[in-house]
Amino acid sequence: EVQLVESGGGLVKPGGSLRLSCAASGLTFSTAWMSWVRQAPGKGPEWVGRIKDKNQGETVEYAAPVKDRFTISRDDSRNTLYLQMNSLKTEDTAVYYCTTDRLWFDPWGQGTLVTVSS
Amino acid sequence: DIQMTQSPSSLSASVGDRVTITCRASQGISNHLAWFQQKPGKAPKSLIYDVSSLQRGVPSKFSGSGSGTEFTLTISSLQPEDFATYYCQQYNNYPFTFGPGTKVDIK
Repeated sequence: EVQLVESGGGLVKPGGSLRLSCAASGLTFSTAWMSWVRQAPGKGPEWVGRIKDKNQGETVEYAAPVKDRFTISRDDSRNTLYLQMNSLKTEDTAVYYCTTDRLWFDPWGQGTLVTVSS
Repeated sequence: DIQMTQSPSSLSASVGDRVTITCRASQGISNHLAWFQQKPGKAPKSLIYDVSSLQRGVPSKFSGSGSGTEFTLTISSLQPEDFATYYCQQYNNYPFTFGPGTKVDIK
């Protein structure tokens, strides 16, 4: 059974940085494409970005609101996905989920809450 | 960006009812459409991918159909555990986009 466990969320001031991690198990992580999806309070999900596997050059795509501020990376030796978030804005407040990206998203982790507030 | 809309935005239904939710894309998305179920405080759960393919372990009371720009999710006989919010999502073009959701609650 695939399990994804996010960590690293918390309270950060506007302009600050945070790094989220997603520990994966139950799958061959090195060949898995992964995505981050966020969900602001009371809103629907919003795709943040995707990273492909090494065979696909670890190509990364981002949604426009986070491009140039967020960086997705992976460490296949640790079966871990990362989301480095810089220059955080209040509108980045959300629960952040990692998900296995098979074109469709399944399964999802339990999420980690990021709150950007002064 | 491809805009996804859903109708209705909410509905009230009784146990045993047949429920249909419609999702429309602002342009053609081939068969690259998924449906998710989300309960309060929980992560979205994938129900259907590629318009009509059921995820493993999802009961057959859920079904999906459609093509091009118009798609539907049908729950054949609503049960208490099905009261939740349902989202459609396209994965044909970047950025991948979700619909605004349809909340299904108890009449």
